[in-house]
Amino acid sequence: DGGITQSPKYLFRKEGQNVTLSCEQNLNHDAMYWYRQDPGQGLRLIYYSQIVNDFQKGDIAEGYSVSREKKESFPLTVTSAQKNPTAFYLCASSFGQSRDTEAFFGQGTRLTVV
Amino acid sequence: GENVEQHPSTLSVQEGDSAVIKCTYSDSASNYFPWYKQELGKRPQLIIDIRSNVGEKKDQRIAVTLNKTAKHFSLHITETQPEDSAVYFCAASIRADKLIFGTGTRLQVFP
Repeated sequence: DGGITQSPKYLFRKEGQNVTLSCEQNLNHDAMYWYRQDPGQGLRLIYYSQIVNDFQKGDIAEGYSVSREKKESFPLTVTSAQKNPTAFYLCASSFGQSRDTEAFFGQGTRLTVV
Repeated sequence: GENVEQHPSTLSVQEGDSAVIKCTYSDSASNYFPWYKQELGKRPQLIIDIRSNVGEKKDQRIAVTLNKTAKHFSLHITETQPEDSAVYFCAASIRADKLIFGTGTRLQVFP
């Protein structure tokens, strides 16, 4: 189903804890993205990566960190520095500059701080 | 920085009527403009896209128009059906590696 998988679907975090959201794709895509979705605010870009071992900050990177050690994987860590982490997180991937740029989305992770 | 504005935020139409959603982008270097549909509880999925070398593209009841001079593009849905009800997002991309999305339009089609 789209070849891009996010886990877990639901995640609960205590205040002050770091938590890592998983994103894996088997589409051989070069580019991967993390978006945050809040009601009425659309999809806001957190981080994106064009190639392995390289990534750039998006519009709301503060309080988040990522890594891109493998082409297939782009995990997002929500740190305790993120003051309002409760949101729906979407990972996406695309071929990027090299080919068609249609982005495919994972099914999302809903993070709740308790 | 890049910015995409989308209007309206909500849109209600009667079944069979047309719906139009408009987006404006800030960076004239943008060259790829996709539209995504997100049904309740599901992931966004591409419904149509257009590149900067084309002014209009149509796929059955869906069409997108692009005005590069004015830096805006629009989604047109004709003969709307209840299953068209969803949130629609426009996006703009530069260098094909950074997608910036609009804030979304919630479309409701009443039977």
